[in-house]
Amino acid sequence: DVQMTQSPSSLSASVGDRVTITCRASQEIREWLAWYQQKPGKAPRLLIYKVSTLQTGVPSRFSGRGSGTEFTLTISSLQPDDFAIYFCHHYNIDSAFGPGTTVEVK
Amino acid sequence: EVQLVESGGGLVQPGRSLRLSCVASGFSFEDHGMHWVRQVPGKGLEWVSGINWNSDSKGYVDSVKGRFIISRDNAKNSLHLQMDSLKDEDTGVYFCAKGSYYDRAGYPFDHWGQGTLVTVSS
Repeated sequence: DVQMTQSPSSLSASVGDRVTITCRASQEIREWLAWYQQKPGKAPRLLIYKVSTLQTGVPSRFSGRGSGTEFTLTISSLQPDDFAIYFCHHYNIDSAFGPGTTVEVK
Repeated sequence: EVQLVESGGGLVQPGRSLRLSCVASGFSFEDHGMHWVRQVPGKGLEWVSGINWNSDSKGYVDSVKGRFIISRDNAKNSLHLQMDSLKDEDTGVYFCAKGSYYDRAGYPFDHWGQGTLVTVSS
């Protein structure tokens, strides 16, 4: 089974900062990689799928890239609404989520 | 507007059973794969099970194989998870999630319910 890891597990940032989160898969996962945002007490929200495709309604400051086993989520200019937990997700026969990265206020 | 509403959670003793349900609205339910994902409060997400549009293909995380059964009723726009022989480690919030297309594999989860809490404890 594919295992997903994320780094860092948490980071502190300020509004306006550029933030990058890395997700690694234990084996090649082609383009089946998504990113979700979750806020306390809420359901996850799909941000990006197929590595780099922005879900409808998601601001363009979010972007994704990568291939093979290493992927990144970048927030180009952090906004107050972006402080949350971010999960990567390999969605194939055996789905697997990364452990999450908490983006908190510096 | 897509809505997914879970129900059936609660406090249950180890070894007992529970059946979760998810009622869907706002989209053509029969055209989409569906999933259950759980989360221990304050922890990460774990995919539990998925089912394709016509129930021909089902999948489970290893830790629940042989104990949980996923099913769906397209006539009633509903998804179910029968959970038997429950263990302490099954405790968590169970989310119902909609796949973005008909198959259970290869498509992200584009809408989620708010979850139902399952607590397994003696």
